[in-house]
Amino acid sequence: AQSVSQHNHHVILSEAASLELGCNYSYGGTVNLFWYVQYPGQHLQLLLKYFSGDPLVKGIKGFEAEFIKSKFSFNLRKPSVQWSDTAEYFCAVNGFTGGGNKLTFGTGTQLKVEL
Amino acid sequence: DARVTQTPRHKVTEMGQEVTMRCQPILGHNTVFWYRQTMMQGLELLAYFRNRAPLDDSGMPKDRFSAEMPDATLATLKIQPSEPRDSAVYFCASGLPPTDTQYFGPGTRLTVL
Repeated sequence: AQSVSQHNHHVILSEAASLELGCNYSYGGTVNLFWYVQYPGQHLQLLLKYFSGDPLVKGIKGFEAEFIKSKFSFNLRKPSVQWSDTAEYFCAVNGFTGGGNKLTFGTGTQLKVEL
Repeated sequence: DARVTQTPRHKVTEMGQEVTMRCQPILGHNTVFWYRQTMMQGLELLAYFRNRAPLDDSGMPKDRFSAEMPDATLATLKIQPSEPRDSAVYFCASGLPPTDTQYFGPGTRLTVL
C-alpha cells in the first residue's frame, strides 16, 4: 500500500523567508504526485502536479516542487513566502495499482507566515 | 471556469436525523470522491466512484453511511442516523483519467448536536 509522510506538521516563517516542505512517499512503481493547498476555511486547491518529464515542477503563486525518484521525495519550495501563503499544504500520491486515480494524502503541514 | 459544487454548504442537525449531502462533479469528469476532514483524523477518503459505479467505499462506516450516483451529474452522501462524531467537513472531488488530478468542491460543514 502506498503512503505519504509529511514530517513538518507546523511551520512558522517570517515574510520573505524561503520555504521547503518535505514530502516522502512509499511506493515502488510509477507515481503521480501532487501538492494541494487549503487556505483557512476553504477547500483544497491544486498547487502543482508531477506526472512525468522534468522533475522540477512549477506551480501557481511561485511554488515549485522537485521529484527525486531515488529519495522517494517531492518537496515543495518557494523562495520568498508572503503572509497570504498562510495555509495548510497537503502532499498526495497516486500509484498505479490498478485501483484508478485514488489519491493518498499526507497529514498536512500547517504554514503560518508572520509579518 | 468549471467547478465542483456541493450543497448544502453548512448543515446543523440533531443526533439521529438523516443528513444528505449532494455534489455536482465537473461536467465530463467520470470519477467522484467523497472525503471527510476533521482536526483529529485529517483528510479521509470515504468512497469513490467511476462511471457511477462504486470502486471503493472501504473508508465509510457501512452501518450509517451510504453513497450513490443517481446520474453522472449528481453524487450523494447520506448519513442515517447521524451522530455527533460525524461532525466534520465533507468534501467532494471529481477527476478524469488519465491525469488523475482531483478537483475539490467547497465542502459541506456538518455539525451534529
